Amino acid sequence: KAGVTQTPRYLIKTRGQQVTLSCSPISGHRSVSWYQQTPGQGLQFLFEYFSETQRNKGNFPGRFSGRQFSNSRSEMNVSTLELGDSALYLCASSFRGGRGRPDTQYFGPGTRLTVL
Amino acid sequence: KNEVEQSPQNLTAQEGEFITINCSYSVGISALHWLQQHPGGGIVSLFMLSSGKKKHGRLIATINIQEKHSSLHITASHPRDSAVYICAVFGNEKLTFGTGTRLTIIP
Repeated sequence: KAGVTQTPRYLIKTRGQQVTLSCSPISGHRSVSWYQQTPGQGLQFLFEYFSETQRNKGNFPGRFSGRQFSNSRSEMNVSTLELGDSALYLCASSFRGGRGRPDTQYFGPGTRLTVL
Repeated sequence: KNEVEQSPQNLTAQEGEFITINCSYSVGISALHWLQQHPGGGIVSLFMLSSGKKKHGRLIATINIQEKHSSLHITASHPRDSAVYICAVFGNEKLTFGTGTRLTIIP
């Protein structure tokens, strides 16, 4: 079974631009969560999507948004990029996601975003 | 105070030593995860547990719900165990992460 894939793996943008990152979950997984990892803040939860609906959201500004498609693939978008948005963005998929009994999350390799 | 605290932050040990990494949390949880992150960023889930103890190969994870504490043990450590180990708790339907323990095993 193929793992979680993320594209692109590396991205360089300038302040003020916007960016879209993509995540393809493991086949059969309906939950996709997104995380931001920075040296200063560590790993932080961005949001979770399940069956095309955002089910939970972390403490990030509205510039961070996402969506999920009917095939469970997910995208996250960051508008009006700031220098502080430079980070490793990870997505993770699971079968059930947050509701009910939690299950193992499978992480993708991440997209490293650099904002200049 | 962070909701999830890990100790130590850094750990260097000789090959073959017994390793213990600790995690304490202050919130109600339904499960606790131990994750391993190698240089380059990829994260692998090692364990998910909500009570007791789990073992996989040379790795053992325990959790004490009453004391809100978990430990990850590595027996007969090997240089390939060198990585960052992250504790994450599942509560309020989301994961909250510790800051990680950087483990270096010297041959």
